[in-house]
Amino acid sequence: EPEVTQTPSHQVTQMGQEVILRCVPISNHLYFYWYRQILGQKVEFLVSFYNNEISEKSEIFDDQFSVERPDGSNFTLKIRSTKLEDSAMYFCASSPDSIGELFFGEGSRLTVL
Amino acid sequence: EDKVVQSPLSLVVHEGDTVTLNCSYEVTNFRSLLWYKQEKKAPTFLFMLTSSGIEKKSGRLSSILDKKELSSILNITATQTGDSAIYLCAVGGGTSYGKLTFGQGTILTVHP
Repeated sequence: EPEVTQTPSHQVTQMGQEVILRCVPISNHLYFYWYRQILGQKVEFLVSFYNNEISEKSEIFDDQFSVERPDGSNFTLKIRSTKLEDSAMYFCASSPDSIGELFFGEGSRLTVL
Repeated sequence: EDKVVQSPLSLVVHEGDTVTLNCSYEVTNFRSLLWYKQEKKAPTFLFMLTSSGIEKKSGRLSSILDKKELSSILNITATQTGDSAIYLCAVGGGTSYGKLTFGQGTILTVHP
């Protein structure tokens, strides 16, 4: 069964460092998303991406965040200068269309020290 | 601001019991309500309910959407230990497709 894959599964970084989280969405999907879940809290929407551009972003998704689809398969989330409060599980999701269900990856746990 | 509230926050039952999980929502321009099961990491999709599909069933799981009451229930009959997980309700609305607002989840624990 096709699945969304994410790397790394866990990354530990120092505050102020840049991190890149990578995702390979399901191959025929057109809509891509990043969500995050801080430990013990709700899953929160960060950004949606379609047709090589951001279609919507949340208040959390400020200038330190960026997304990119550098080639036909990868979808990346870059955090430029990490802060302690960026520690969370980051989920990538994809969807075949604009109204269908989202399929989530296993997540990348980011720990900022 | 869109809002999704789930209840109860946690539930402990024994195998064979039937459980009902609740989800209520306030969203602008409702599009869909989704149920996910989260065991260790990734939320896995269970059901999507929309105005054109307000009742879904798969095996021992079923879900109903009440658009009048702005709520949904997820029923699990004859529970098994493998049903132990966090059940997440998420609602799609507003102007952006795919932007889901999640509830805080219901932690279900099924004892043998």
